[in-house]
Amino acid sequence: LAKTTQPISMDSYEGQEVNITCSHNNIATNDYITWYQQFPSQGPRFIIQGYKTKVTNEVASLFIPADRKSSTLSLPRVSLSDTAVYYCLVGEVSGGNMLTFGGGTRLMVKP
Amino acid sequence: DSGVTQTPKHLITATGQRVTLRCSPRSGDLSVYWYQQSLDQGLQFLIQYYNGEERAKGNILERFSAQQFPDLHSELNLSSLELGDSALYFCASNTGTVLDYGYTFGSGTRLTVV
Repeated sequence: LAKTTQPISMDSYEGQEVNITCSHNNIATNDYITWYQQFPSQGPRFIIQGYKTKVTNEVASLFIPADRKSSTLSLPRVSLSDTAVYYCLVGEVSGGNMLTFGGGTRLMVKP
Repeated sequence: DSGVTQTPKHLITATGQRVTLRCSPRSGDLSVYWYQQSLDQGLQFLIQYYNGEERAKGNILERFSAQQFPDLHSELNLSSLELGDSALYFCASNTGTVLDYGYTFGSGTRLTVV
């Protein structure tokens, strides 16, 4: 599994766009990039997954450069309820594999 | 409600005791994963079951054991409990098939060992 590095914490204000970057220099050809969100005392929740270029859903966008050695989760116009820990996971897409979580990025959204 | 049910939500017990945590996966999911989350360790994978069979094992202590029953619910047994076992224990499920990356987590069981 490719190791990931992401900032330990970030602060933002309501209404701003937040970009969280994850480094994964040793990403393998078959690896996908997946982001999860975790609120305090709740289980992680799937946000978005991508392989290359850009992926967008109703919650976030994921930007992946051509070399795939990093990725950026973009949260548009955050609100206080987006305060959470965000995990970047890199691994082969397989429903049979367990997820390996790193330390995550603790995002604090302030009013 | 994520569809994954974990009981109990809270558990307080004394050192040396044994407890059982229960997980009912989302309907249709065959694979169950157990995770431990403590303040200083983050989310640690413990063990995975697929359709009743153990599929993968992570950093699970010998004092801990798990099983998945024919109705697909799973139980995590923790014995000879120590203060350091205090943590949130999460269960996740998915179909276990190759293209299903939609892991669904339950709301967890908070275990406090005193």
